[in-house]
Amino acid sequence: DADVTQTPRNRITKTGKRIMLECSQTKGHDRMYWYRQDPGLGLQLIYYSFDVKDINKGEISDGYSVSRQAQAKFSLSLESAIPNQTALYFCATSGGSYEQFFGPGTRLTVL
Amino acid sequence: AQSVTQLGSHVSVSEGALVLLRCNYSSSVPPYLFWYVQYPNQGLQLLLKYTSAATLVKGINGFEAEFKKSETSFHLTKPSAHMSDAAEYFCAVSEQAGTALIFGKGTTLSVSS
Repeated sequence: DADVTQTPRNRITKTGKRIMLECSQTKGHDRMYWYRQDPGLGLQLIYYSFDVKDINKGEISDGYSVSRQAQAKFSLSLESAIPNQTALYFCATSGGSYEQFFGPGTRLTVL
Repeated sequence: AQSVTQLGSHVSVSEGALVLLRCNYSSSVPPYLFWYVQYPNQGLQLLLKYTSAATLVKGINGFEAEFKKSETSFHLTKPSAHMSDAAEYFCAVSEQAGTALIFGKGTTLSVSS
């Protein structure tokens, strides 16, 4: 089984809808991250969490919110989706060492 | 502030040829540097990392990278390209263990037969 899982893998939604992307990990890591990938732009950090009580904004947090329900779960919400939030979203984890482990990604399309 | 620049959004090589993907970084402190690979419709996989030990770092699949502080570079190389190396490659920097990574915009590698 994969160490970092993301659900759903693909989602099509409409403008104005609320949507939640979920991430779970079995690596026992304290640190979790949400990134967004757009073609030609690389990955940009949306939010990160160093433990259940610690949530921090990244470089592009506007329009997004997160919830750290447990050490193993970190959810990303779009309160009112808009078309320019169409992107590939990645969750990652880190145990405090240098390496981050990435999930398979969620492809989100906002119509 | 940290930043990463990957020179060339697209690199094309022939099978068996040298692969060279360029990465330059800026950092106010000694950085930790990474190369990740993304195959089509997949997540990111770590190729190799530099964490202040040896400046020549060997990774998976025959890739290696050399940290050159004087040039603020961390270029990725492979002596002989294989068709299966076709993917998108990302260079990333971090100033502290466990903190978020700053990514370059990526380089797509195409390999022709």
